[in-house]
Amino acid sequence: SAVISQKPSRDICQRGTSLTIQCQVDSQVTMMFWYRQQPGQSLTLIATANQGSEATYESGFVIDKFPISRPNLTFSTLTVSNLSPEDSSIYLCSVSQGARHGYTFGSGTRLTVV
Amino acid sequence: QQQVKQSPQSLIVQKGGISIINCAYENTAFDYFPWYQQFPGKGPALLIAIRPDVSEKKEGRFTISFNKSAKQFSLHIMDSQPGDSATYFCAANSNFGNEKLTFGTGTRLTIIP
Repeated sequence: SAVISQKPSRDICQRGTSLTIQCQVDSQVTMMFWYRQQPGQSLTLIATANQGSEATYESGFVIDKFPISRPNLTFSTLTVSNLSPEDSSIYLCSVSQGARHGYTFGSGTRLTVV
Repeated sequence: QQQVKQSPQSLIVQKGGISIINCAYENTAFDYFPWYQQFPGKGPALLIAIRPDVSEKKEGRFTISFNKSAKQFSLHIMDSQPGDSATYFCAANSNFGNEKLTFGTGTRLTIIP
């Protein structure tokens, strides 16, 4: 299955600033997904990123707050903009490899906003 | 329609015992049901998955039981070990795993000696 490198692993940011999270996959994949996981909670899908097209956002998530880039089939970034303490969470990228391998997740980025 | 309900929220099992986690879904279009295991500081990792054409799938100590008519599926961990202590998520999606996943709420499993 695919191997995902996600950076940074953690960061502490001032409110009002932005954080960009990078996700690098060791193979070409069509769809990449960005999730948010509050500590001790389940995963909530933020958006689906396809190469060459605009990301598709889930209800409650907007492009101005969570802009996503997908310049090629192995890389994506998620930016969390205008940070507030409520954005403190773990952000994970994921790729789908069908039923055989399922979804593979990065190790996540733990964001703390102060 | 898109929910996957998971129980219990937390579970404590003695070493060597059987751990059972249950999930129920509503969307009849779901046709792929994976379980993920997550250790602290790590992303979820695929543990085992089942499709609705079978009622049970076993991989080592891990078994999924699937009841299509009841729209329920469960994870059984036999001979539970301290290394199994983790958070487990059931999930579901359609198109044989090629659509976005809907996750359950998670179960924190603790195996005590």
